[in-house]
Amino acid sequence: DADVTQTPRNRITKTGKRIMLECSQTKGHDRMYWYRQDPGLGLRLIYYSFDVKDINKGEISDGYSVSRQAQAKFSLSLESAIPNQTALYFCATSRGQGWNEQFFGPGTRLTVL
Amino acid sequence: AQSVTQLDSQVPVFEEAPVELRCNYSSSVSVYLFWYVQYPNQGLQLLLKYLSGSTLVKGINGFEAEFNKSQTSFHLRKPSVHISDTAEYFCAVSETGGFKTIFGAGTRLFVKA
Repeated sequence: DADVTQTPRNRITKTGKRIMLECSQTKGHDRMYWYRQDPGLGLRLIYYSFDVKDINKGEISDGYSVSRQAQAKFSLSLESAIPNQTALYFCATSRGQGWNEQFFGPGTRLTVL
Repeated sequence: AQSVTQLDSQVPVFEEAPVELRCNYSSSVSVYLFWYVQYPNQGLQLLLKYLSGSTLVKGINGFEAEFNKSQTSFHLRKPSVHISDTAEYFCAVSETGGFKTIFGAGTRLFVKA
C-alpha cells in the first residue's frame, strides 16, 4: 500500500464550487505539505503543517484553506474554485528537520471550468 | 530567502549518451540540496541529497551530483542514460535551520533511442 495517498486522483469542477482534496499518510511523519505544480513553474508551496496545531501559509495560499484533522490527515480546500486553480496538486510528508527528504503522494489533477 | 534556478527547461539526449542537468541556488546561509525525479503520472521521489561532507553525492539509478559552493551549483549527471530515465527532474534547496524547501521549475529529460 502507498505511504502517502491522495483522493480524488482526478476532479473536474465548475467555477464557484467548493472542493476538498484529501491526503493521508502512514509514514508517521509530523510534517505535511500541500503544493501545486504548473508547467514551467515547478512546485509551489500552498500550506504546510508541522503538527496538528501548527499550520502555516506558503507562498501561494490565497484562495485556499487547510485542515489538519490528525497527524495522518491533511486536507486542502478551495472555497470557491476559479479556472486559474487548474493544476496538479501534491501532498507531501517529512520528518522534522530540513535535511529530511519529502515523500510525495501521487497527485490530484484538478480542472476548474 | 533562498531560490533555485534550473538552467534548462528541456534536455533531449540519445540513449547511452552522458547527460548533465544544471542547477544553481541562492542563499545567505548554509543549505541542504536535493534532486527529485518525477516519472509520468507519478509523484516526486528523491534521487539524492547533499547535507555535508563529500561534495560528490551518489544517488539511485546511477545518478550523481556535485556540490560547488563557490559557484553555488548542484549539477546532476549520469554517464549513460536509458530510455527509462525519461522524466522531469527537480532541484530543491532547504536552508539549515529553515522550515521550507524551495523547488526549481524542473528540467524535462527526453531520452531518444
